[in-house]
Amino acid sequence: QVQLQQSGAELVKPGSSVKISCKASGYTFTSYDMHWIKQQPGNGLEWIGWIYPGNGNTKYNQKFNGKATLTADKSSSTAYMQLSSLTSEDSAVYFCAREDPQGFDYWGQGVMVTVSS
Amino acid sequence: DIQMTQSPASLSASLGETVTIECRASEDIYSNLAWYQQKPGNSPQLLIYDANSLADGVPSRFSGSGSGTQYSLKINSLQSEDVASYFCQQYNNYPYTFGAGTKLELK
Repeated sequence: QVQLQQSGAELVKPGSSVKISCKASGYTFTSYDMHWIKQQPGNGLEWIGWIYPGNGNTKYNQKFNGKATLTADKSSSTAYMQLSSLTSEDSAVYFCAREDPQGFDYWGQGVMVTVSS
Repeated sequence: DIQMTQSPASLSASLGETVTIECRASEDIYSNLAWYQQKPGNSPQLLIYDANSLADGVPSRFSGSGSGTQYSLKINSLQSEDVASYFCQQYNNYPYTFGAGTKLELK
């Protein structure tokens, strides 16, 4: 069965960076776009971008240009998102999700990132 | 960016009732719309794609309709397990955008 297993919660300091992972299993990792979505407490969902692990192509929401960097490792079927120059506005739960391509049919469990000194 | 305006923001309904959630796009999204259910502490789950297609494993009491800029999600015969937040999402244009969500509670 398809599973997206994300890394654990992160507590990081303002100005630092964090890299979170999303390990895929149960399907051909290189054949589907992997998306990343942000959800702040009590808030809605915000699309960050996608990566196509087959060739490394990426597409970002302009709002996250310079903030998020998406990569993928085909050998381990793992997608990564690095967030840089962290501020309190980056404190959120971050999900990875596979695009079917009509909609996100599988989601990771989410990673809570807390930015605090 | 395409704005997705979802209503109502919250909704209280009784077991067995039929509820409808609306989503309006700021421009035509050509039925490139999905609906998700999110229960507290969980990830969102795909309910509907292409505006009216039921995702695998989703109960038939859920249905979607609409076209152009106006879309709706209907839940027939509300069950206790349907208590959740619901989000619409357009995938017609980048950046993909979501509605602000509807929180559904039992009356």
